[in-house]
Amino acid sequence: NAGVTQTPKFQVLKTGQSMTLQCAQDMNHEYMSWYRQDPGMGLRLIHYSVGAGITDQGEVPNGYNVSRSTTEDFPLRLLSAAPSQTSVYFCASSYSRAHQETQYFGPGTRLLVL
Amino acid sequence: SQKIEQNSEALNIQEGKTATLTCNYTNYSPAYLQWYRQDPGRGPVFLLLIRENEKEKRKERLKVTFDTTLKQSLFHITASQPADSATYLCALESGGSYIPTFGRGTSLIVHP
Repeated sequence: NAGVTQTPKFQVLKTGQSMTLQCAQDMNHEYMSWYRQDPGMGLRLIHYSVGAGITDQGEVPNGYNVSRSTTEDFPLRLLSAAPSQTSVYFCASSYSRAHQETQYFGPGTRLLVL
Repeated sequence: SQKIEQNSEALNIQEGKTATLTCNYTNYSPAYLQWYRQDPGRGPVFLLLIRENEKEKRKERLKVTFDTTLKQSLFHITASQPADSATYLCALESGGSYIPTFGRGTSLIVHP
């Protein structure tokens, strides 16, 4: 099993550009989520999904869109990048929402918005 | 407002000693609490989970306690090693919210 994979590892964007951060898991997990991690701020939940076709907002959803068309994939879209979105983004998955006892995190995507 | 507090100052200890990290919370009623390890440039790795009705959980050299009266969890690493140096995060999920909230983490540095 590859676990949770994220691409790209690094990305530089200009303000106003859009892009999609990819996340995939091969563990047949129902629950997937996106976090951002900023210095001194800890991990903050952006969006999450409890299964294919179902998504919901987390703590900091503004400026981001998600979709979940398959169990395996959960892409995060930046609609119009802003410098405030410079961060490290982590995707995570777990067996199910109700049994979210262990979250498996991906390696992260480091994003710089100029 | 809800808060999760972990010591922002790094904890420096000598190899072989027991490291103790603290996670305090306010205005939460967590169904369970998790501890993760994060190395620089990597994603968090799950270590232990303790439920609200459990007082202590152990896994090899790791021990977690959970005091819902004090609203505090302690994370212990016994016989610490330089390889234990990392940032340790606690996360809470209140019953029904299903959204885990993370503390900012505490850096542990184990000196040989």
